[in-house]
Amino acid sequence: KNQVEQSPQSLIILEGKNCTLQCNYTVSPFSNLRWYKQDTGRGPVSLTIMTFSENTKSNGRYTATLDADTKQSSLHITASQLSDSASYICVVSPYSGGYQKVTFGTGTKLQVIP
Amino acid sequence: KAGVTQTPRYLIKTRGQQVTLSCSPISGHRSVSWYQQTPGQGLQFLFEYFSETQRNKGNFPGRFSGRQFSNSRSEMNVSTLELGDSALYLCASSWTRGRVTEAFFGQGTRLTVV
Repeated sequence: KNQVEQSPQSLIILEGKNCTLQCNYTVSPFSNLRWYKQDTGRGPVSLTIMTFSENTKSNGRYTATLDADTKQSSLHITASQLSDSASYICVVSPYSGGYQKVTFGTGTKLQVIP
Repeated sequence: KAGVTQTPRYLIKTRGQQVTLSCSPISGHRSVSWYQQTPGQGLQFLFEYFSETQRNKGNFPGRFSGRQFSNSRSEMNVSTLELGDSALYLCASSWTRGRVTEAFFGQGTRLTVV
């Protein structure tokens, strides 16, 4: 069964600090992994997408890493800002040709406090 | 290119009523998924449609149903509403090209049951 697990479930950090969110998956065969940011009450917005051959990808202060061997990904946020307060969702897509079903993690809720 | 459109954005219903939510996917996307999101549960998968056929279904009671039309627009219906159905309902449309599947979320419909 394809699963995506995220940790921690929630996190509180001080403004300006760094943090790392984790995503472990069992989706196979693997096609790509995407991190979404979801502000409260709004739909998720894509931050980054990584395919099998990519190890690291950055989007501003967000850096995602992928280890396809251990089936783990992390999202590192540098110099956090109050606007980073949101839920971060990891989404994994399998490759099977034709129809595919994406698998969503339940998210990590990040709160950045002044 | 227009994004995923969900209507209405906000809805207030009373217990026992029924409700229909609508989702218009990005043009060309044939797969539409529905999710319920509550503060304590994160994203919970409801069901997924592909070319008017329900492909997958989550663990929700039969009061939750959906359908997809030939133009890929999808509706979700909840009958006999309960207070616990209050949530943000998200729709995601996705496409597959080669090895890559991408999913895009709508802004969601905030349903409040009183």
